[in-house]
Amino acid sequence: DTEVTQTPKHLVMGMTNKKSLKCEQHMGHRAMYWYKQKAKKPPELMFVYSYEKLSINESVPSRFSPECPNSSLLNLHLHALQPEDSALYLCASSQDMDSYQPQHFGDGTRLSIL
Amino acid sequence: QKEVEQNSGPLSVPEGAIASLNCTYSDRVSQSFFWYRQYSGKSPELIMSIYSNGDKEDGRFTAQLNKASQYVSLLIRDSQPSDSATYLCALVTGGGNKLTFGTGTQLKVEL
Repeated sequence: DTEVTQTPKHLVMGMTNKKSLKCEQHMGHRAMYWYKQKAKKPPELMFVYSYEKLSINESVPSRFSPECPNSSLLNLHLHALQPEDSALYLCASSQDMDSYQPQHFGDGTRLSIL
Repeated sequence: QKEVEQNSGPLSVPEGAIASLNCTYSDRVSQSFFWYRQYSGKSPELIMSIYSNGDKEDGRFTAQLNKASQYVSLLIRDSQPSDSATYLCALVTGGGNKLTFGTGTQLKVEL
């Protein structure tokens, strides 16, 4: 069990659908992250929020739209995705963005695009 | 040259043996180093963090850091079949907390 909770665990969607991935943590962490992981590859950073403000966007296509409604929640809105976007989407959090703060991952959402 | 390099394996060790996992990195200013364990189909789980040269022990795990030689390693003593997983080396370079991962080493502990 992890202290970072992601929903849903699995999601299948068509290329024209709109869906959202959700992430929640109650550890009082002020930095939250979205990663994408393809099979047999390491996680790739997508976005970082620090104190509810977008701090890093790793040149992610606009069909992925992050949102941080409050310090405990992080959403990733999906629209018009492509089959190559099928992957495991991981949320992580850390105390803050200090480099000595380890990141803790949620269980992930496995996304399949039809 | 890749920023973080790991041998992809698989590394096979017998049960009860010591497993040694290695990671080299290219950026000398890297300041924070982490080892994550990832079971197939699961998310990465933090095993160890190390920030200064030397050894850091936690139970059966020992992390070793040598900044002069730019390598970090993870030793697993008394390896168990449940240790079979992919081990990801990750580090932070520069400002902020942006992790750069290695490609991971697959460890297989055989009965």
